[in-house]
Amino acid sequence: KQEVTQIPAALSVPEGENLVLNCSFTDSAIYNLQWFRQDPGKGLTSLLLIQSSQREQTSGRLNASLDKSSGRSTLYIAASQPGDSATYLCAVTGGSQGNLIFGKGTKLSVKP
Amino acid sequence: DAGVTQSPTHLIKTRGQQVTLRCSPKSGHDTVSWYQQALGQGPQFIFQYYEEEERQRGNFPDRFSGHQFPNYSSELNVNALLLGDSALYLCASSRGPGGVEKLFFGSGTQLSVL
Repeated sequence: KQEVTQIPAALSVPEGENLVLNCSFTDSAIYNLQWFRQDPGKGLTSLLLIQSSQREQTSGRLNASLDKSSGRSTLYIAASQPGDSATYLCAVTGGSQGNLIFGKGTKLSVKP
Repeated sequence: DAGVTQSPTHLIKTRGQQVTLRCSPKSGHDTVSWYQQALGQGPQFIFQYYEEEERQRGNFPDRFSGHQFPNYSSELNVNALLLGDSALYLCASSRGPGGVEKLFFGSGTQLSVL
């Protein structure tokens, strides 16, 4: 059974810092991995999608890497801003199924 | 281009009642999935609809049922509500059910069961 773990559960940093969020999964047989952002009480916004054949994806100040063999992904946020404060969720799609399996998220707080 | 829309945004029910949540997928999408997110947890997969049929189902009881209409919109029905059904219910749409395409989520329906 696929399990997704995110560390740390919460993170507080001063504005301008670069930071890394971690995600691990137990079954390397995935189709892809997605990082999402969720603001309190709101839906999910997809940030980056990495297909199983890819190693990384970049969008603006965000960079996500994928090491399928070790079951790990990282989300790197450069020059963090208070507007980046949110919960970041990692999710994998396994095998031929279309459903996502999520971690519990990392709650990020960026202090001005 | 409208994204995924869900209604209502908030709902309060009492134990034993029944509830229906609605979802319209993003334009061009034909697959709808439903997720339940309890407070402080990641979303849990309920089921997925494609071509008006339930294609996959997560570990949820039969009290949870759904429907997809010819215009690809979908409903989630929950019968005999329990306190533990209180959660944010998220709808996601995609092109095709295979899981290769990116999922787009709506803003969710916050259900409170008293």
